[in-house]
Amino acid sequence: SQQGEEDPQALSIQEGENATMNCSYKTSINNLQWYRQNSGRGLVHLILIRSNEREKHSGRLRVTLDTSKKSSSLLITASRAADTASYFCATLPALMNRDDKIIFGKGTRLHILP
Amino acid sequence: DVKVTQSSRYLVKRTGEKVFLECVQDMDHENMFWYRQDPGLGLRLIYFSYDVKMKEKGDIPEGYSVSREKKERFSLILESASTNQTSMYLCASNSQGTSGRAYEQYFGPGTRLTVT
Repeated sequence: SQQGEEDPQALSIQEGENATMNCSYKTSINNLQWYRQNSGRGLVHLILIRSNEREKHSGRLRVTLDTSKKSSSLLITASRAADTASYFCATLPALMNRDDKIIFGKGTRLHILP
Repeated sequence: DVKVTQSSRYLVKRTGEKVFLECVQDMDHENMFWYRQDPGLGLRLIYFSYDVKMKEKGDIPEGYSVSREKKERFSLILESASTNQTSMYLCASNSQGTSGRAYEQYFGPGTRLTVT
């Protein structure tokens, strides 16, 4: 029951450049979240944006949300080698059901080149 | 800081063996989840639990069962391991929050299970 879909699937950029990843989803949401996963590790929550918010910042991260287009973007500014990881978007549906749960996309693999 | 721990980082089992994967969280979270992660398939939800002794099937429950006897512990059981269950298994937990909705999830480090 995949909801979010990230684009691109993989991205390679030079260190210091900005990285942009996109997420599209299908149904109305309560919130959208971005997670990072370093190779062979668990996911780490980065940022959450609610459906009534349009933009949110956290350090070098900037997230935008366009509910009319059902899409979100994650911008990482001034990328570093340590940003190399997979990035997942996840959505919480607007309608609260008994099995209320977050739904993850398949992720974007980001590789920062030295 | 929230901490979610999993009993093993790497596990190798033989086909037909019964396998137990344990997950413990220390933040009194109501909800706990088991996912498996395979290349190209993303995270797929196996089972989740929103309270002690409660469990709900996720997207791929076949071949798995779970147990939640205490709030902080959620176990995943492979009754008879098969080679197609070779995967990375991730446990997660979260709180229902004051609004009763579930928000960010906290993940354990993962267990890489190989079934030979």
